[in-house]
Amino acid sequence: LAKTTQPISMDSYEGQEVNITCSHNNIATNDYITWYQQFPSQGPRFIIQGYKTKVTNEVASLFIPADRKSSTLSLPRVSLSDTAVYYCLVGETGGFKTIFGAGTRLFVKA
Amino acid sequence: DTAVSQTPKYLVTQMGNDKSIKCEQNLGHDTMYWYKQDSKKFLKIMFSYNNKELIINETVPNRFSPKSPDKAHLNLHINSLELGDSAVYFCASSQGGLAGSTDTQYFGPGTRLTVL
Repeated sequence: LAKTTQPISMDSYEGQEVNITCSHNNIATNDYITWYQQFPSQGPRFIIQGYKTKVTNEVASLFIPADRKSSTLSLPRVSLSDTAVYYCLVGETGGFKTIFGAGTRLFVKA
Repeated sequence: DTAVSQTPKYLVTQMGNDKSIKCEQNLGHDTMYWYKQDSKKFLKIMFSYNNKELIINETVPNRFSPKSPDKAHLNLHINSLELGDSAVYFCASSQGGLAGSTDTQYFGPGTRLTVL
């Protein structure tokens, strides 16, 4: 399973766009890139998933370059409620083993 | 309706005791998981079950024994509790087994276990 590297923490202000980059140099051909969000005292929650190029949903965008060795989660106009830990995962969907890294703690300030 | 539920939410017990945590999902998923999140917030997978069969056991001590009576339930029984078992335990479920699918995992609210 590909190992992921993310910044430990990031600070932002309300209304700003936040980009969190994840490195996964050893990503395999069948691996997808998935991001989860975890609020304090709650379980992780799926945000977005992609294989290549760009994926967008109502919550975030995911940018994946052609070599797929990294990915960037983009949160448009964050609010205080976006303060959470964001995990980048790389693995084959349909597999039964999921590895969560340390995640990135995002602090959104007023 | 809660998709993945766990009971109890909090569990405080003495060292050496035996305790169980229950998990139920009403999503019709085939795969269920148990994760442990320690005080440093690292989330580690412990077990994966697919259609009631153990698929993944991540070198978890034998004191931990998962039981899946049916696809909708995956309970975790812990014998002879130790101080190091104190953590938040999360149950999760996913469709599973479908290569190439978006196998999103849905997590329960967690059970905070404190061993005194």
